[in-house]
Amino acid sequence: DTAVSQTPKYLVTQMGNDKSIKCEQNLGHDTMYWYKQDSKKFLKIMFSYNNKELIINETVPNRFSPKSPDKAHLNLHINSLELGDSAVYFCASSQVGREQTQYFGPGTRLLVL
Amino acid sequence: AQKVTQAQTEISVVEKEDVTLDCVYETRDTTYYLFWYKQPPSGELVFLIRRNSFDEQNEISGRYSWNFQKSTSSFNFTITASQVVDSAVYFCALKDSGAGSYQLTFGKGTKLSVIP
Repeated sequence: DTAVSQTPKYLVTQMGNDKSIKCEQNLGHDTMYWYKQDSKKFLKIMFSYNNKELIINETVPNRFSPKSPDKAHLNLHINSLELGDSAVYFCASSQVGREQTQYFGPGTRLLVL
Repeated sequence: AQKVTQAQTEISVVEKEDVTLDCVYETRDTTYYLFWYKQPPSGELVFLIRRNSFDEQNEISGRYSWNFQKSTSSFNFTITASQVVDSAVYFCALKDSGAGSYQLTFGKGTKLSVIP
């Protein structure tokens, strides 16, 4: 049983295109996250949603827009893709509370040409 | 602001050797949480352990052990009798209060290569 799933796993696209990455969790968690892992493997939070409300929006270009239709889903839409957007994007989920463990999806490898 | 430092960028050991991965953290909070994650070559992030700031007991899970020392702000991870399957990037992470309670602050990771 997949706990946190992401689609697609790989995404290759041209500069300037718009793309979406989907995330779903079946753990019953009420908080979901998007992280970006750059080419040097550095992981950084992008967004956090709790009960469908945005909690954290780090210094991310407004070309990135998260959308949470319900507690189990958090999608990431990216407009006007740039070369620098190439990275691995991880979705994660947890129960609310700082003591709670975040569980990660398998990652989506985005390559912008 | 919180910070996690993993000073070892890459480590190589021969199979069956013991290896310790270092993690030093900074936080102003008295209550915080520390985590280790493993990222194997396949790319996923696998949760290994969570430790609360008020529990300094060391933990052992099979060949894995963790040494938490508040006095030195360190949370080190030791693999005993390493195996090739342990080859991965290991991340230490911190969660404290405020906005930080919703996010993990990661170290830059340590790439461990276990040579057969």
